[in-house]
Amino acid sequence: NAGVMQNPRHLVRRRGQEARLRCSPMKGHSHVYWYRQLPEEGLKFMVYLQKENIIDESGMPKERFSAEFPKEGPSILRIQQVVRGDSAAYFCASSPLGTALNHGYTFGSGTRLTVV
Amino acid sequence: AQTVTQSQPEMSVQEAETVTLSCTYDTSENNYYLFWYKQPPSRQMILVIRQEAYKQQNATENRFSVNFQKAAKSFSLKISDSQLGDTAMYFCAFMKQGGTSYGKLTFGQGTILTVHP
Repeated sequence: NAGVMQNPRHLVRRRGQEARLRCSPMKGHSHVYWYRQLPEEGLKFMVYLQKENIIDESGMPKERFSAEFPKEGPSILRIQQVVRGDSAAYFCASSPLGTALNHGYTFGSGTRLTVV
Repeated sequence: AQTVTQSQPEMSVQEAETVTLSCTYDTSENNYYLFWYKQPPSRQMILVIRQEAYKQQNATENRFSVNFQKAAKSFSLKISDSQLGDTAMYFCAFMKQGGTSYGKLTFGQGTILTVHP
């Protein structure tokens, strides 16, 4: 039973390029959360998705960032025209049902994005 | 909005001894959940322990226990018989119960714990 899979583990992009981060939730999980961890800081909520639906995107920057969780396939966090300030670790978490969220969901190992 | 504060950026402890990590939070909610997560150098976020706000009894998980003081909005983590593998960053986190933001975790800044042999 594989856990939450995130890839790539490390991603290097030049300023102005696009970054695509992928998250495959645990089998049977239909809720996905994305968090960002800046150096020396705690995780900050970005977006909450269910299959084909964005439930809460209150933590997403207004520009350049988007997320999707299609009916088939992984959830994707897309960052367009990356800047140095986007360098961070991006974590995905998944959960089976809303009522199970209070048990603390399962995190992936994160993608470390470095913008050069 | 909720805030979570961890006032100890770094802590250290000798192997086999006990250490307590502090966490305070601010919320106007009455129903919520609190968590401690561990992040070792591998970067994996690992759930250590959770507490329901409506429960007065403090949660325990083997060597890990919490001191939950709801009135004081305090949620400290005690690690007994510390082991070298406990060396990690520890995050306190808050989750509101219900509402559209149900499931969203608010994290503190973290405490780096080093266990010395």
